[in-house]
Amino acid sequence: DTGVSQNPRHKITKRGQNVTFRCDPISEHNRLYWYRQTLGQGPEFLTYFQNEAQLEKSRLLSDRFSAERPKGSFSTLEIQRTEQGDSAMYLCASSLTFGGVSLNTEAFFGQGTRLTVV
Amino acid sequence: TQLLEQSPQFLSIQEGENLTVYCNSSSVFSSLQWYRQEPGEGPVLLVTVVTGGEVKKLKRLTFQFGDARKDSSLHITAAQPGDTGLYLCAGAEGNSGYALNFGKGTSLLVTP
Repeated sequence: DTGVSQNPRHKITKRGQNVTFRCDPISEHNRLYWYRQTLGQGPEFLTYFQNEAQLEKSRLLSDRFSAERPKGSFSTLEIQRTEQGDSAMYLCASSLTFGGVSLNTEAFFGQGTRLTVV
Repeated sequence: TQLLEQSPQFLSIQEGENLTVYCNSSSVFSSLQWYRQEPGEGPVLLVTVVTGGEVKKLKRLTFQFGDARKDSSLHITAAQPGDTGLYLCAGAEGNSGYALNFGKGTSLLVTP
């Protein structure tokens, strides 16, 4: 396993269509994160999973965004009824955390999925 | 949200020059990470600093965490074209230990 893998790398979709992105984390990592990055900005946190449990989702941008990690391994991020403002790079990251709250969030990122909504 | 401000926003230098970029906040962070990102790619972790006053070296890169754990700096000695990229600092938000707050980054261009 060489790192976090995201598919597809690029996605062009028409406004109003649904899109789904996949993330395969580093195999032994129990935490998985989704971030969004727009041009000229740093990544913005969206949601995260501890194993299969989604422990924080209040930062998802709207109810059109949802994420799953059904077996605690890979994760999917879905955007329904896409809008032009959803165009961005969607980044997945993973980390290994022991016990409860980690004070050293060292996350490793995938290459991202570039979404363009036309 | 704890804001991280990075400066300068853009930096263009010639090969062989030294440079320092800064990451500042009014908030205390339990740790700070520095990432480097190339166009169209995800951020790549360079280093994590945890202890106030800590200095870490990675070849020609020197990272320092402020004594109060509110700021950090990255110094590059004898920059090379391969150092070109977007340098991002990120801190764990509050005591959550999960959400990273990122600065907007410093875009570095090193020309031969």
